[in-house]
Amino acid sequence: DVVMTQSPLSLPVTLGQPASISCRSSQSLVSSDGDTYLNWFQQRPGQSPRLLIYKVSSRDSGVPDRFSGSGSGTDFTLKISRVEAEDVGVYYCMQGTHWPPWTFGQGTKVEIK
Amino acid sequence: EVRLVESGGGLVQPGGSLRLSCAASGFTFSDSWMHWVRQGPGKGLVWVSHIKNDGSVTTYADSVKGRFTISRDNAKSTLYLQMNSLRAEDTAMYYCTMSFDSWGQGTLVTVSS
Repeated sequence: DVVMTQSPLSLPVTLGQPASISCRSSQSLVSSDGDTYLNWFQQRPGQSPRLLIYKVSSRDSGVPDRFSGSGSGTDFTLKISRVEAEDVGVYYCMQGTHWPPWTFGQGTKVEIK
Repeated sequence: EVRLVESGGGLVQPGGSLRLSCAASGFTFSDSWMHWVRQGPGKGLVWVSHIKNDGSVTTYADSVKGRFTISRDNAKSTLYLQMNSLRAEDTAMYYCTMSFDSWGQGTLVTVSS
């Protein structure tokens, strides 16, 4: 199984400042079709997960452009250019290249300082 | 608008059974791969099971293989998860998700005597 490792696990941020979350996979996520199936999800307190980014860098519909994804192979990053109060929650990366199983990172808790 | 509504959760004794349902609307259910994902209390997201759009392929996490069965009724746009031989460690919020794009609100399963 592919192990997804996120860092940091806790991220205190100042409103208006940038934030960055790292996600590393135990093997390359490049698929035989050439795509890389790495997603990012946001889970606000008390809510269901929400897809933010798919295939490394494509924002889902309605996701603010302050969220961006990058990376390749085994190293990936989610960036928030300017953190807003509504961004508080837990962020998860997930790989969908080597399935089953689909595997998630441990989650990174973003909170306001 | 995509809508996924889970039901069927509750309190069950160890060794007992439950059947979860997920009623889907707002998209072509019969074209969509569906998944169950669970989240233990205060824990991260864990993929449980998947079913291909026509039901011809199903996959399971090792932790539930042989105990859980995923199925679907495309005529009713409904996804199911039959859970048998339940254990305390199966206690979690169970989410259904359409290809990880859209998620339901979840249904809580508690396994306790």
